[in-house]
Amino acid sequence: DAGITQSPRHKVTETGTPVTLRCHQTENHRYMYWYRQDPGHGLRLIHYSYGVKDTDKGEVSDGYSVSRSKTEDFLLTLESATSSQTSVYFCAISESEALGDSPLHFGNGTRLTVT
Amino acid sequence: GNSVTQMEGPVTLSEEAFLTINCTYTATGYPSLFWYVQYPGEGLQLLLKATKADDKGSNKGFEATYRKETTSFHLEKGSVQVSDSAVYFCALSGNTNAGKSTFGDGTTLTVKP
Repeated sequence: DAGITQSPRHKVTETGTPVTLRCHQTENHRYMYWYRQDPGHGLRLIHYSYGVKDTDKGEVSDGYSVSRSKTEDFLLTLESATSSQTSVYFCAISESEALGDSPLHFGNGTRLTVT
Repeated sequence: GNSVTQMEGPVTLSEEAFLTINCTYTATGYPSLFWYVQYPGEGLQLLLKATKADDKGSNKGFEATYRKETTSFHLEKGSVQVSDSAVYFCALSGNTNAGKSTFGDGTTLTVKP
C-alpha cells in the first residue's frame, strides 16, 4: 500500500473557524491532490500540487487554500469553515510524471463536520 | 471539459449473479480509464485500468474494456461475492493535465448471500 497518512481522521468544527488538514506521504511522489467526496457528486478536485511550492486550483477551490513546503506534506486549509464544506476529504498521490496513465493512490480520508 | 457518467445505483445482487456497471465518458484526446473501489471507511483503491483503445483491464475477476467507438468502459464480473459489496467509481485521466482525474458519481453495490 502507498504510504499516505491523513490527519485528523475526524474533525468537528464551528462555522467561521479555520481548519487545516494534513496529508503526509512516504513515497516521494511529485504529484499530490486534495479531493472532496459528497453524495451524488463523486470526487471533486479542490487543489493539486506538482512540486514543492507549486500548486494549482481544481474545480471546487473557492474557500480553500493549500501549501506544500516539503515533498512529503500537502496541507489543505479552510480559511473560514462553512457548513457547505462538511464533507469527506481525500488526499491522493500519483507517481506519474504528468502522463496521466498512472493511477491515484488515496489516503483513508478525513471526515469534517462544520456545525 | 472531461466528464464521466456512471450507471446510477444502488445495485443489489444475489451472490454468484453477473454484474455490469455502465460507464461512459467525454474527453479530448486519448485519456486513460480506471475503475476504483471504495470499502466503508476507506479511501479509493485502484481496481483496474486501461490506457488505450481496445485494452482490457482485469483484476480479481473484474474486467472492463476501453471502447473508444462508444466512449465506454463498462465494469463486469461473472459471479459476484458478498465481499464485492462496495462503492465503485469510474474515472479518467488525460495525459496533458498533470494527472488530474475526473470521477463519476459512484455506484453502490450490495451483494446478498
